[in-house]
Amino acid sequence: GENVEQHPSTLSVQEGDSAVIKCTYSDSASNYFPWYKQELGKGPQLIIDIRSNVGEKKDQRIAVTLNKTAKHFSLHITETQPEDSAVYFCAARESGGSNYKLTFGKGTLLTVNP
Amino acid sequence: DGGITQSPKYLFRKEGQNVTLSCEQNLNHDAMYWYRQDPGQGLRLIYYSQIVNDFQKGDIAEGYSVSREKKESFPLTVTSAQKNPTAFYLCASSIARGGGYNEQFFGPGTRLTVL
Repeated sequence: GENVEQHPSTLSVQEGDSAVIKCTYSDSASNYFPWYKQELGKGPQLIIDIRSNVGEKKDQRIAVTLNKTAKHFSLHITETQPEDSAVYFCAARESGGSNYKLTFGKGTLLTVNP
Repeated sequence: DGGITQSPKYLFRKEGQNVTLSCEQNLNHDAMYWYRQDPGQGLRLIYYSQIVNDFQKGDIAEGYSVSREKKESFPLTVTSAQKNPTAFYLCASSIARGGGYNEQFFGPGTRLTVL
């Protein structure tokens, strides 16, 4: 099955700086890579996703890049704000059939200091 | 107001008791999922269901059971066979078509503490 590694486990930045979170996956057949944000005491919420036929995707201050050859993908947050403080999870979906399972990384606690 | 509801938010049980966690969605999603979240462990899949009356084991199904009698409901039972049941449990749902590029929507979670 798929295995997703996520780094770093904690990240502290100053407001206005950029934050980068990296993930690697093991199954070269995986084709869908979402990122979720989880605020304290709540369920995760999708913030951006990328498919394997795309190298980069942006949505305002958030971007995701994918390197299929190296089997890694990264989340980039620019101009960070205190409300960006949360736990971020990457995930990968194995391709094939009607399998809709996601395998998640262990999460990154991002703290944005005012 | 569409979404996923989980109840209760906090649940306390004595060791050796079975307990059932509720998950309801009104998003008309075919697929539903149960995850367990422990500190530093991310989200681990317990069970998932892609259609009514059908479900599959995830990565950590031992000690858990589910049913899917209605499209909108996917209750999870934590049995006494689960060795470490204290955790945060998350339910999610998604559509089940379109090649699998489908956002999973999560409920607010239930924190289960076994005393």
